[in-house]
Parts: sequence; C-alpha cells; structure tokens
Amino acid sequence: ETGVTQTPRHLVMGMTNKKSLKCEQHLGHNAMYWYKQSAKKPLELMFVYSLEERVENNSVPSRFSPECPNSSHLFLHLHTLQPEDSALYLCASSQNRDPGQGAYEQYFGPGTRLTVT
Amino acid sequence: GQNIDQPTEMTATEGAIVQINCTYQTSGFNGLFWYQQHAGEAPTFLSYNVLDGLEEKGRFSSFLSRSKGYSYLLLKELQMKDSASYLCAVRGNAGNNRKLIWGLGTSLAVNP
Repeated sequence: ETGVTQTPRHLVMGMTNKKSLKCEQHLGHNAMYWYKQSAKKPLELMFVYSLEERVENNSVPSRFSPECPNSSHLFLHLHTLQPEDSALYLCASSQNRDPGQGAYEQYFGPGTRLTVT
Repeated sequence: GQNIDQPTEMTATEGAIVQINCTYQTSGFNGLFWYQQHAGEAPTFLSYNVLDGLEEKGRFSSFLSRSKGYSYLLLKELQMKDSASYLCAVRGNAGNNRKLIWGLGTSLAVNP
C-alpha cells in the first residue's frame, strides 16, 4: 500500500461513453500527476497539478480533461475516446519543492486498466 | 533530444547477482531514480542518486556517474520475487522536481 488509491481498477468503455477516473492520496503531498503507460512505450506524463493548479499539460488531446478539487484528489474525465487510448493510467503524488539534493520521489497508485472498444 | 536507454530484458538465477544498466542524455540533470514494477502493479521507488558514487540499500545498490551519463542498479542474492520490470528515470530540470524522463524499463526474470 503506497498511500495512493485509484478507482476503478478496470474500465471498459465505448467510444461514445463518458467516464471518470479517480485518484486519492493520503500522504500529505502537494503535487499530483497523471501518467499513461502503454506497452513498449515509456511512461508518458499527461498532467501535473501543484497546489491544485495545473502546471503542466503535455499536449494531451482534449478528450482527456483533468480536475484537481483539492491537494488530495485528482480526477481524469474521459469522453469520446479512441481505441489507441487503451492503456494503464497511473496517478502519482509527491512533495513539490526545490529539490536541491532531495529525492521527493513520486508515489504511484495501482492504476486503472482502460480498454476502449 | 532527451533519451534514456536500458536493456529490454534480462534473465538471472535465484541467489545470483545482476546488474541493470541505464544510460541517459538529458538537458540538465537533477537526480536519477530507479523504480520496480511488478506485472499489473504500480511502480515503487527503489533508489535515488544525485551525486556520483554508490548508494546501498540492503540487497539493492545503485551507482551513478554523471560525467558518463550512466547508472546501474545492482541486485544481490536474487529472489524469485525480484522478477519485475525495473524503470530508470532522470529528473532533467533543476529547480523543478516534477518532470521525470522515463526509460522503457528492463524486464528481469529470475529463474530457480
């Protein structure tokens, strides 16, 4: 148990559906992340929130819409997805400060395995 | 461009020692991380190096040479449960601890 939970763990949706992924962290961190993990590709950073403000968006299609209502919760709203969006979606959290020589490593949730049909 | 290279797959025997290499080319360097990911599970943090040298943590050690853009993860006294993917990641932007650049991962199979 890493202190980061995600629901649902598995999701199958059609291309016309709307669904949301939820992430919650119990570690007192102030930064949260969404990653996409696909086979034979490195982890792709999608969004970063720091102190509830979106600070990074790596050219993700608008069919993915993040929401961070507070420092403990993060959502990823999905609509009109494509089959190539099928992947493992991982949420992570960390402390966000000038690292100096500190690790401030990211803690990951178990992920949501998404299948778009 | 920014790039991290690590072997795709490795095989080792229970009780042995294995070294997983990682080379990187990034714009700036502010630390290198190793994570372990079992199939179907979340990546979990193993080690962090920001200065040259060896960091030891029980059966796992991690080495960094910044001048060579090179790191390795050393696993001793291998156990079956060490079968997993090992991810190398570099924090490339000093003063910004958010963005990590990830390798593809090395899938390690430990055989009896």
